[in-house]
Amino acid sequence: AQKITQTQPGMFVQEKEAVTLDCTYDTSDPSYGLFWYKQPSSGEMIFLIYQGSYDQQNATEGRYSLNFQKARKSANLVISASQLGDSAMYFCAMRPYNNNDMRFGAGTRLTVKP
Amino acid sequence: NAGVTQTPKFQVLKTGQSMTLQCAQDMNHNSMYWYRQDPGMGLRLIYYSASEGTTDKGEVPNGYNVSRLNKREFSLRLESAAPSQTSVYFCASSELGQSYEQYFGPGTRLTVT
Repeated sequence: AQKITQTQPGMFVQEKEAVTLDCTYDTSDPSYGLFWYKQPSSGEMIFLIYQGSYDQQNATEGRYSLNFQKARKSANLVISASQLGDSAMYFCAMRPYNNNDMRFGAGTRLTVKP
Repeated sequence: NAGVTQTPKFQVLKTGQSMTLQCAQDMNHNSMYWYRQDPGMGLRLIYYSASEGTTDKGEVPNGYNVSRLNKREFSLRLESAAPSQTSVYFCASSELGQSYEQYFGPGTRLTVT
């Protein structure tokens, strides 16, 4: 079964600076998708960005980009120009292409300082 | 568009009681999911339904049953609640296909005493 590891329980970043949230994964599936979700203190889960294992380019969505290194099995989220509203829990997740079994990491709590 | 809705928002049960968590989506998605989130942990998949008429176990199915009532609705039942089932429960839905993200409901906070 696949496993997702997020080694940073908490991170701090100054407003307007960039921050990288780490995610590594372990899977024997050759094809899979990687996802990042944001969970504000209000509790809802918000989709941020997706990367397919066969995608040649790193995914980007506005201020979010995914630094995908397939050989190292890492899928780090980069948030540029941090805003106070970015303070939240961030979860990395992975799903094999051949089923719907999505696995989540334990999350990283990001705090943006003014 | 309400997206994914869950009822109830909060529930307190005594050990051994049963209850059903309801979930509905209005996005015409084929796939639906139930997760639980414990403090300090990510979400863990309990059951999912890839399409109407099918259900499959996820990572932590023990103590739960599900019903895919129709394309819109997917319910989660606790037959005999235990304190270990105290958690926040999220329902989600998505299109079929590898790249489609899941849309989550607001969650149900369940406490079993």
